[in-house]
This record gives sequence, structure tokens and C-alpha cells, in this order.
Amino acid sequence: AQSVTQPDIHITVSEGASLELRCNYSYGATPYLFWYVQSPGQGLQLLLKYFSGDTLVQGIKGFEAEFKRSQSSFNLRKPSVHWSDAAEYFCVVLGAAGNKLTFGGGTRVLVKP
Amino acid sequence: DAGVTQSPTHLIKTRGQQVTLRCSPKSGHDTVSWYQQALGQGPQFIFQYYEEEERQRGNFPDRFSGHQFPNYSSELNVNALLLGDSALYLCASREGFTSTDTQYFGPGTRLTVL
Repeated sequence: AQSVTQPDIHITVSEGASLELRCNYSYGATPYLFWYVQSPGQGLQLLLKYFSGDTLVQGIKGFEAEFKRSQSSFNLRKPSVHWSDAAEYFCVVLGAAGNKLTFGGGTRVLVKP
Repeated sequence: DAGVTQSPTHLIKTRGQQVTLRCSPKSGHDTVSWYQQALGQGPQFIFQYYEEEERQRGNFPDRFSGHQFPNYSSELNVNALLLGDSALYLCASREGFTSTDTQYFGPGTRLTVL
């Protein structure tokens, strides 16, 4: 069975500082990996996805993530955080085509002015 | 092009009642999934519909049932509501059952059970 762990429930970061959100997955083969963001009152929005190839993937809003097979990790990063980045972030795994999405518990990001 | 839409936005029910939530997928999408997001948690997969049939089901009781119509829209029905059913219910759609294409999510329906 596939699973996703996001170790940090809350992260507070100052505006302009860098941000890194951790994600560890469990799956027998190379999974399809996603990061979604959920802002208050808005639906889940896809930030980026990894299927294969280059292990560093670029997404929208200046986010990037790195897939590390040896560590079963897919951490999300942003060099300089904006106040609008305050939201809940979910790491998601798709084990195989047609399967369900499995979400981590989420990391809530607070941005200090 | 409208994205995934859901109705109603909010709903308040009492224990034991039944509820129906509705979802219209993004244009061109034929596969619809439903997720339950309890407060402070990540979404949990309920079930997935394709070609008007339930194709996969998560760990939810039979009180949760669904339907997909020929126009690909979908309904989620919950019978004998419990307090624990209070959650945000999300609908997601994509094109193709075996596809790995991005799933697009609707804004959700907030269900409160009193």
C-alpha cells in the first residue's frame, strides 16, 4: 500500500526567506508524485508533478521539488516566500495509472511580515 | 472553460439524515473521484467513477454511495449521517481512467452534521 508522510504540521517563515517542506513516501516502485496547495476558500491547486526523468522539477509560483529515490523523499522548496504563499501544502502519491491519489497530512505554512 | 464545479457549497444536516452532493467535471474529463477531507487532515479517497461504474473504492462504509451520469457528472450520497461525516467533500476529475494526467479539484462542499 502506498503512503505519504509530511513530518511538519506547521511551518512559520518570514516573508522573503526560503521555504522547504518535507515529504516522504512509501511505495514499492517509482511512484508518480505531486504537490498540491490549498488556500482558504479555494480548491486544491497543482503546484508541480514528477513522473520520471530529471529529478528536479519546476512548478508554478516559483516552487520546485526534488525527487530522491534513495531517501524516498520529494521535498518542496521556494527560494523567497511571498505573503500569498500562506496556505496548506499537500504531498501526494499516485501509485499507478488509474489508482487513487494518496495524500499526506499536510503542512500549514504561515508567513510573517 | 469552467473547471470542476460542486454544489451546494455548504450543507447542514442532522444525524440520521441523508445527503446528496453533486459534481460537474472539467470539460472533456470522464473520470470522477470523490474525497473526504476532515478538519486538519489530508483528503481521503472515497471512490472513483468511470463509464458510469464505480471502479475503485477506499475504506468507507456502504453508507457512502455514488453515481455517474452519461454526461460524466457525478453524485455522492451519504445515508444515516453520523457526526463524524462532517467534512469537506472534494470532487476531482481527469481525462481517461488509466491516465496519469493531472486531476483537477473542485472547491468542495462543506458538510456539517449536527
